[in-house]
Amino acid sequence: EPEVTQTPSHQVTQMGQEVILRCVPISNHLYFYWYRQILGQKVEFLVSFYNNEISEKSEIFDDQFSVERPDGSNFTLKIRSTKLEDSAMYFCASKKTGGSAYEQYFGPGTRLTVT
Amino acid sequence: GESVGLHLPTLSVQEGDNSIINCAYSNSASDYFIWYKQESGKGPQFIIDIRSNMDKRQGQRVTVLLNKTVKHLSLQIAATQPGDSAVYFCAEASSGSARQLTFGSGTQLTVLP
Repeated sequence: EPEVTQTPSHQVTQMGQEVILRCVPISNHLYFYWYRQILGQKVEFLVSFYNNEISEKSEIFDDQFSVERPDGSNFTLKIRSTKLEDSAMYFCASKKTGGSAYEQYFGPGTRLTVT
Repeated sequence: GESVGLHLPTLSVQEGDNSIINCAYSNSASDYFIWYKQESGKGPQFIIDIRSNMDKRQGQRVTVLLNKTVKHLSLQIAATQPGDSAVYFCAEASSGSARQLTFGSGTQLTVLP
């Protein structure tokens, strides 16, 4: 069964450094998302992406964040200058056309630790 | 402010029994309610959703009930299996918007042998 993959599984970085989190969505999916979950807290929406542009973004997704689909398979989240409070599990998700707006397939996540 | 919450943080059931996981919501403007399952070390997995114009929806071994009068949502799992052990959380949203998706904090379901 196809699944969303994410790399790396764990990323440790120093405050102020740039990080790129990578995702490979399911191949025939056209909607892509990033979420984050700070340890012990709820999952939070960051951004959705469709047709090579951002569809929606939350207040969390400020100028330090960007997303890109550099080729036909990868979907990346970049944090330009990481802060301690960016430490969280970041989940990528994808969705096919049609069906429920919320039937999203999530990847296993990347744990980002900012020191 | 508006919130989505869960009644019980943990639930233990015997294998083969039915499980009922509850959720309260407070945003009366929400028109989608979703249940996700999250196993240890994995991302959330969509289980089932229900729109506000329905009060019941069934899937494979799962049933979601929506009571708009008391703003209550439940997930029933029939014949619970060890593989059902996970954190279950509800979420609410409106208008098909991902930005409006608000997740609850989760209930840990443990299936006892």
